[in-house]
Amino acid sequence: AQSVTQLDSQVPVFEEAPVELRCNYSSSVSVYLFWYVQYPNQGLQLLLKYLSGSTLVKGINGFEAEFNKSQTSFHLRKPSVHISDTAEYFCAVKGGSTLGRLYFGRGTQLTVWP
Amino acid sequence: DVKVTQSSRYLVKRTGEKVFLECVQDMDHENMFWYRQDPGLGLRLIYFSYDVKMKEKGDIPEGYSVSREKKERFSLILESASTNQTSMYLCASSLFGTGGYEQYFGPGTRLTVT
Repeated sequence: AQSVTQLDSQVPVFEEAPVELRCNYSSSVSVYLFWYVQYPNQGLQLLLKYLSGSTLVKGINGFEAEFNKSQTSFHLRKPSVHISDTAEYFCAVKGGSTLGRLYFGRGTQLTVWP
Repeated sequence: DVKVTQSSRYLVKRTGEKVFLECVQDMDHENMFWYRQDPGLGLRLIYFSYDVKMKEKGDIPEGYSVSREKKERFSLILESASTNQTSMYLCASSLFGTGGYEQYFGPGTRLTVT
């Protein structure tokens, strides 16, 4: 089975500062990688995904992530955060033959302070 | 837009009651999933289904069962609710073999068992 590690459970940051949320996954021959965001009392929505091709993936709300195969990482970045980015962020991976199942990390709570 | 709906946003039930959580998706997706979400534990997969009448256990199936009689509907059943099943329940769906198996989530049902 795949596993996903989100190294930070909480990341506090001031508004307009850059942020990086870290994600590592267990190795597989080929993987699909995802970042989801969850605002309070809502379901998850997709921020971005990596399927193949360019290792730098751009998503919604100014977020981007870089796939690094040698380090089995898929870190999420934003150059300048807003108060409205306060939310929980989940990294997920699909690898191998798992009937469409995704494996999720435990989440990182991003809190943006004014 | 894909829409995944869940029958209730909030539900309060008593210990020992039989509880049904319903999920409906409108995009003809083959795969459907039930997760529970608890603080610090992220999303844990309870059951998933890759076709009508087909189901697979996830990581925490004990105390739960599921039903998928129609492609668009996936039900989670708590046969005899217990207080340790108080949680947020999230339903998701995805297409088979397309988009990297990106999952679309419903808004969640917050279940309290007293």
